[in-house]
Amino acid sequence: QQQVKQSPQSLIVQKGGISIINCAYENTAFDYFPWYQQFPGKGPALLIAIRPDVSEKKEGRFTISFNKSAKQFSLHIMDSQPGDSATYFCAAGIESNYQLIWGAGTKLIIKP
Amino acid sequence: EAQVTQNPRYLITVTGKKLTVTCSQNMNHEYMSWYRQDPGLGLRQIYYSMNVEVTDKGDVPEGYKVSRKEKRNFPLILESPSPNQTSLYFCASSTRQARVGYTFGSGTRLTVV
Repeated sequence: QQQVKQSPQSLIVQKGGISIINCAYENTAFDYFPWYQQFPGKGPALLIAIRPDVSEKKEGRFTISFNKSAKQFSLHIMDSQPGDSATYFCAAGIESNYQLIWGAGTKLIIKP
Repeated sequence: EAQVTQNPRYLITVTGKKLTVTCSQNMNHEYMSWYRQDPGLGLRQIYYSMNVEVTDKGDVPEGYKVSRKEKRNFPLILESPSPNQTSLYFCASSTRQARVGYTFGSGTRLTVV
């Protein structure tokens, strides 16, 4: 019940295209769903996050879509750029106890 | 600059030789945690600490020790490293205000031969 399943494991998208990464969770007690971006040689950094009281959150070219009934959430990167090439991690947790459960990560490559 | 600092960045050691990876944060964060990152397995939590002198096991604590004697420091100790502990290690910290917005260090790549 604690797992977060992330797909795909890797993704290649042409410059200007839409990148979509999906995650599914099991624990209905989760109330916080962040996405982290990791560049080679760096630690993950918080990119965008959503709480289950909204179905979508947009920050620039990055959008999280959230489907509470299906227990799924996804990251959409619009107009993908080579600088977006990175590993993306979804996570889920309960805000009150600090802990996050992590997806396995998606390596995204944007081809020029 | 607010940051989490890990040292060393790279370490090659031999099986059985005790080592310590240091982690320090300058943000007065209560919560600190250690992760290991392996290809295809994502981030797996080793140990975490909710505050000074309070530590608890994560998902993969075997072969590791931690201590939290000061709020800013959270060292990871490998008493007798083995080759299966070859990995990329990250320290992270967080505060109640940031909730689960973690600040990560830049990582320590450990190779045990």
